[in-house]
Amino acid sequence: KQEVTQIPAALSVPEGENLVLNCSFTDSAIYNLQWFRQDPGKGLTSLLLIQSSQREQTSGRLNASLDKSSGRSTLYIAASQPGDSATYLCAVRDSNYQLIWGAGTKLIIKP
Amino acid sequence: GAGVSQSPSNKVTEKGKDVELRCDPISGHTALYWYRQSLGQGLEFLIYFQGNSAPDKSGLPSDRFSAERTGGSVSTLTIQRTQQEDSAVYLCASSYWDTNTDTQYFGPGTRLTVL
Repeated sequence: KQEVTQIPAALSVPEGENLVLNCSFTDSAIYNLQWFRQDPGKGLTSLLLIQSSQREQTSGRLNASLDKSSGRSTLYIAASQPGDSATYLCAVRDSNYQLIWGAGTKLIIKP
Repeated sequence: GAGVSQSPSNKVTEKGKDVELRCDPISGHTALYWYRQSLGQGLEFLIYFQGNSAPDKSGLPSDRFSAERTGGSVSTLTIQRTQQEDSAVYLCASSYWDTNTDTQYFGPGTRLTVL
């Protein structure tokens, strides 16, 4: 059974710092991996989707990597801003076409 | 264009009552998903629709939960005889087609509280 783990559960950093969020999964038979952000009272916003054949994806200040063989993904946020404060969720799409979710990392960027 | 919408945004009900949660997907999206997010926990897959059919109902926690989709568009998640453990945020998502390349777009969710 696929399990997704995100570390750390919470992170607080000063504005301007670069940071890395981690996601690990137990079964490497995935179709893709997605990173989402969730703001309080709002739905989930997809940030990046990495296909199983890809190694990384970039969007603006965000870069996500995927190492399928080791069951790991990282989300790198450059030059963090207070508006980046949110909960970041990692999800893998497995062979049953379900998204299996991590519990998230709550990120706080201090001005 | 409009995103995924859900109604109501909040629902408070008494234990034992039935509730209906509604999801309007993005127009043209054929795949629709329901998830549940309990306090302090990750999202839990409930059910998936392709068109009006539900090829995967494996996530429904009990037979008190059911869902339908009509006209390949609106979906309703029904919870009968609600219990306190049903309290959670229920999220709906849609995607254009069920392939491994499609991003799921999420609605704002319905927060259900069972007293």
